[in-house]
Amino acid sequence: QSALTQPPSVSAAPGQKVTISCSGSSSNIENDHVSWYQQLPGAAPKLLIYETNRRPSGIPDRFSGSRSGTSATLDITGLRTEDEADYYCGTWDSSLSASYVFGTGTRVTVL
Amino acid sequence: EVQLVESGGGLVQPGGSLRLSCAASGFTFSNYAMGWVRQAPGKGLEWVSGVSGSSIRTNYADSVKGRFAISRDNSKDTLYLQMNSLRAEDTALYYCAKYDVSGWYAFDHWGQGILVTVSS
Repeated sequence: QSALTQPPSVSAAPGQKVTISCSGSSSNIENDHVSWYQQLPGAAPKLLIYETNRRPSGIPDRFSGSRSGTSATLDITGLRTEDEADYYCGTWDSSLSASYVFGTGTRVTVL
Repeated sequence: EVQLVESGGGLVQPGGSLRLSCAASGFTFSNYAMGWVRQAPGKGLEWVSGVSGSSIRTNYADSVKGRFAISRDNSKDTLYLQMNSLRAEDTALYYCAKYDVSGWYAFDHWGQGILVTVSS
């Protein structure tokens, strides 16, 4: 049950775009829906993206998800100071030890 | 409004046991799979366990398999996590989370978390 791989940190100025990658395998990202979570400092995680590219009600369209093969991506456009948080990808892994797996997490810093 | 409220955490000695509870409200509890996710201090999220709405299907992370047991009481809208043979590395904030309608792909609501500390 290995975690999905994300870059430890990304940063950009307000108004700019950041892209967070999430690398997995054929037993998880390539064949299952991917979700993305935002965790603000001191808070519980919050669902940002589900089914790879869908947003729950109330999530602005500045957040978007996509997938290509065994990797998924979260894009944040029009970066705002309140976007400064940790971001995690997640999906079901259908390998021998069937389990849910999270990414290693990415800290987004707004410069 | 969906609410998930965890309880039962605290300080326990290595080798000890603890049972976490999660009281759910604001949705038809029995219709949704539920899970536990933990976060060690300063670390990332780690999925611990999940249970289907009817309790037919349960899954565990390899790190807790054989030591932890997830269960639910749909008559009480409550999720449980029985934790036995606790180790120092089980120290974490434990979140109760509701899977979304897809079944097992996303957690759409989370509790605020309950701290479990394993130390002598």
